Amino acid sequence: DAGVTQSPTHLIKTRGQHVTLRCSPISGHKSVSWYQQVLGQGPQFIFQYYEKEERGRGNFPDRFSARQFPNYSSELNVNALLLGDSALYLCASSWETGTGGTEAFFGQGTRLTVV
Amino acid sequence: EDKVVQSPLSLVVHEGDTVTLNCSYEVTNFRSLLWYKQEKKAPTFLFMLTSSGIEKKSGRLSSILDKKELFSILNITATQTGDSAVYLCAVQLIQGAQKLVFGQGTRLTINP
Repeated sequence: DAGVTQSPTHLIKTRGQHVTLRCSPISGHKSVSWYQQVLGQGPQFIFQYYEKEERGRGNFPDRFSARQFPNYSSELNVNALLLGDSALYLCASSWETGTGGTEAFFGQGTRLTVV
Repeated sequence: EDKVVQSPLSLVVHEGDTVTLNCSYEVTNFRSLLWYKQEKKAPTFLFMLTSSGIEKKSGRLSSILDKKELFSILNITATQTGDSAVYLCAVQLIQGAQKLVFGQGTRLTINP
């Protein structure tokens, strides 16, 4: 079975440009979350989507947006890129059970460099 | 503000040693605590803990949660060079979203 897949793996963009990152969750998983990880720190929560609806948003500016499609894949969009947006962007997939906790599985990430 | 703190931030040991990694948290709406191993990019799931005092074990790795004192530990026995990685602790919250709040990570280096 395929795990969480993200594309592209690496990306170099110029300040002010726009970027779209893609994620396909594990088959059967309906929840997708996005995280930003800058070097030397733990991942920071950006968004969670479940059944195509936004369930939560972290402390990120409106330049960051996302959506989830009927097949549960997801896109993260970042507009007006800044140098500080350079980071590893991780997608996490989970099957929300509504019980005591849900295991979240991560993709390989997209390494975004803004120059 | 929800906070997860890991210690130590960095640890260097010799192959065969036993290590203990610590994770303390201060959060509202606790749901579970998760441990991940991150070698290059993707954090790899290790354990999910929801109940106090119940040890989870997988090979040489084990972990336990104390919900009264708000901490968890990850133990690795008979370490191998392949255990070298960043170990991340994350607390899962129930706030409408399944938000994971991560610690800074512990960078573990195993020397042969």
